Amino acid sequence: DAGITQSPRHKVTETGTPVTLRCHQTENHRYMYWYRQDPGHGLRLIHYSYGVKDTDKGEVSDGYSVSRSKTEDFLLTLESATSSQTSVYFCAMRLAGDTDTQYFGPGTRLTVL
Amino acid sequence: SQKIEQNSEALNIQEGKTATLTCNYTNYSPAYLQWYRQDPGRGPVFLLLIRENEKEKRKERLKVTFDTTLKQSLFHITASQPADSATYLCALGSSYKLIFGSGTRLLVRP
Repeated sequence: DAGITQSPRHKVTETGTPVTLRCHQTENHRYMYWYRQDPGHGLRLIHYSYGVKDTDKGEVSDGYSVSRSKTEDFLLTLESATSSQTSVYFCAMRLAGDTDTQYFGPGTRLTVL
Repeated sequence: SQKIEQNSEALNIQEGKTATLTCNYTNYSPAYLQWYRQDPGRGPVFLLLIRENEKEKRKERLKVTFDTTLKQSLFHITASQPADSATYLCALGSSYKLIFGSGTRLLVRP
């Protein structure tokens, strides 16, 4: 997983609390993505960023916000966590070139009680 | 809406045989299709990309085909090994984003 890290790797929190997940890359890639992965649903895009302070919504953005103040960091925030947000969260970066090949981080397992 | 379908049932095969995984899509005309491997507890890892004007792509024991008329890609692992056991995801690109199928789990028995 060199080049992209996620923190924390595991987190247990309670309903209603705010949670921030961090994604950090050392490759200077412009595009970064947050996904969630749940059984039966595969990977679903939450939000993505195409540059510093440039972000857009994905397929399942409700209840999530993101920020990107530096190229290397992409933060995902759950303003008020709910049990339906229990999931494994993956960050990814788009590699250079004319395709959308992505390189993924190791994931964060989030449990909302 | 765009939809990608992969067989949700696990594929269980004997070591040495060829594993064939299927990816079907609808309401989409992709310029290329990608395959990723995911091991338990880890993020997906890119394996192969095939473009719409390519019928077949090979990399070592892996082979991917792409039929834009059938809207289908087949992913083959020849001479399969227990180490090939994992979940395999197909993905289609669209406007700097990827849409993923839910993946097919492959189990290779020794």
